[in-house]
Amino acid sequence: QIQLQQSGPGLVKPSQTLSLTCAISGDTVSSNSAAWNWIRQSPSRGLEWLGRTYYRSKWYTDYAVSISSRITIYPDTSKNQFSLQLNSVTPDDTAMYYCARDRWLSHFDLWGRGTLVTVSS
Amino acid sequence: EIVLTQSPGTLSLSPGERATLSCRASQSVGGSYLAWYQQKPGQAPRLLIYGASNRATGIPDRFSASESGTDFTLTISRLEAEDFAVYYCLRYGGSPTFGGGTKVEIK
Repeated sequence: QIQLQQSGPGLVKPSQTLSLTCAISGDTVSSNSAAWNWIRQSPSRGLEWLGRTYYRSKWYTDYAVSISSRITIYPDTSKNQFSLQLNSVTPDDTAMYYCARDRWLSHFDLWGRGTLVTVSS
Repeated sequence: EIVLTQSPGTLSLSPGERATLSCRASQSVGGSYLAWYQQKPGQAPRLLIYGASNRATGIPDRFSASESGTDFTLTISRLEAEDFAVYYCLRYGGSPTFGGGTKVEIK
């Protein structure tokens, strides 16, 4: 059964870096047909796609323009997982963060269970 | 950037009734790159429809969807108790964008 297992702290201080990891079982992060995404959800922003990483003979990353200056998404092939780093967080980054898979840069067909991240001192 | 506007914000219906949800795109989505999701409290979104009108695996046939230009519609033919939830549309391809959601609540 294909699953995405999220991990990472639920509380981050303002100005620090938010770091989350999504471990993949039943698929591979270096699949030539999948892309691995981070999405967040908050009452103020709704559902917001943050970015993705994917392998097509080499590694690619795409980021939402609104957040591109602060975000890094990267794979770890040795652990079959991918990670999110979001720098210089503010309380506005408080949200439920989801990892998700898409096939061929298409719809999200598999989601992690979500991690609630609160930015507060 | 394509903006997706969902309406109504809330739909109050009784079990057995028909639900019609709208998602309007600010410009052509292109290639029917639109999906619908259902989300219940405390859960991740669940894929219902992709390619504007194709039901995902395991989705009952009371869920159907259609497109007409930049207007997309999700229809639930006869609401069952488990269908009361929030529904989102998603435009994928390029930089994915979600609509603001429609809550289907029990009247």
